[in-house]
Amino acid sequence: DTTVKQNPRYKLARVGKPVNLICSQTMNHDTMYWYQKKPNQAPKLLLFYYDKILNREADTFEKFQSSRPNNSFCSLYIGSAGLEYSAMYLCASSRLGQDSYEQYFGPGTRLTVL
Amino acid sequence: GQGVEQPDNLMSVEGTFARVNCTYSTSGFNGLSWYQQREGHAPVFLSYVVLDGLKDSGHFSTFLSRSNGYSYLLLTELQIKDSASYLCAVRDRGASNTDKVVFGTGTRLQVSP
Repeated sequence: DTTVKQNPRYKLARVGKPVNLICSQTMNHDTMYWYQKKPNQAPKLLLFYYDKILNREADTFEKFQSSRPNNSFCSLYIGSAGLEYSAMYLCASSRLGQDSYEQYFGPGTRLTVL
Repeated sequence: GQGVEQPDNLMSVEGTFARVNCTYSTSGFNGLSWYQQREGHAPVFLSYVVLDGLKDSGHFSTFLSRSNGYSYLLLTELQIKDSASYLCAVRDRGASNTDKVVFGTGTRLQVSP
């Protein structure tokens, strides 16, 4: 199974409320990524886990949290959603190794904050 | 600063070819990937290059010039179904020896009959 799964596919949240997005893969990939994608913009890397090590981008450091309880699962957590968080959130995974920099993407979670 | 640039749109004709350009600027280049993304779907991996030159993968070929910070994706014998967005993504190796991936905004290719 080479698919990356994301739940939920659509999420509606109120301003100021928390949001938790889930991603899973069964390919035993060591790295999992979270991207934010807004219309007409490039996917923006928010953070990634290499094994158990979390790397967060400097400009989104305080806005997003993540956890990876095991190799297969990775979550993206927003403590207090703002209108600017409305976007598509893409999860991807990859395996470190020779010529294996292919990222497998999930279908995304479309978050709408009202 | 770091960045990946692509033209927004490209139009071509069925049966001919299309070249999607990508320019980038990074401090620790560790490879460049191309993805195809259809409307409403996740990006799908096409190719990865890290050495200079042309890599021929049949319908898709990729070229890289690291000294110029430039790559292109070449699609030959275009079909209508090749109409999609093509994203360029650059791996930038940081001080902690882990890679950050920076995407371009994508080029929307429209293939007409």
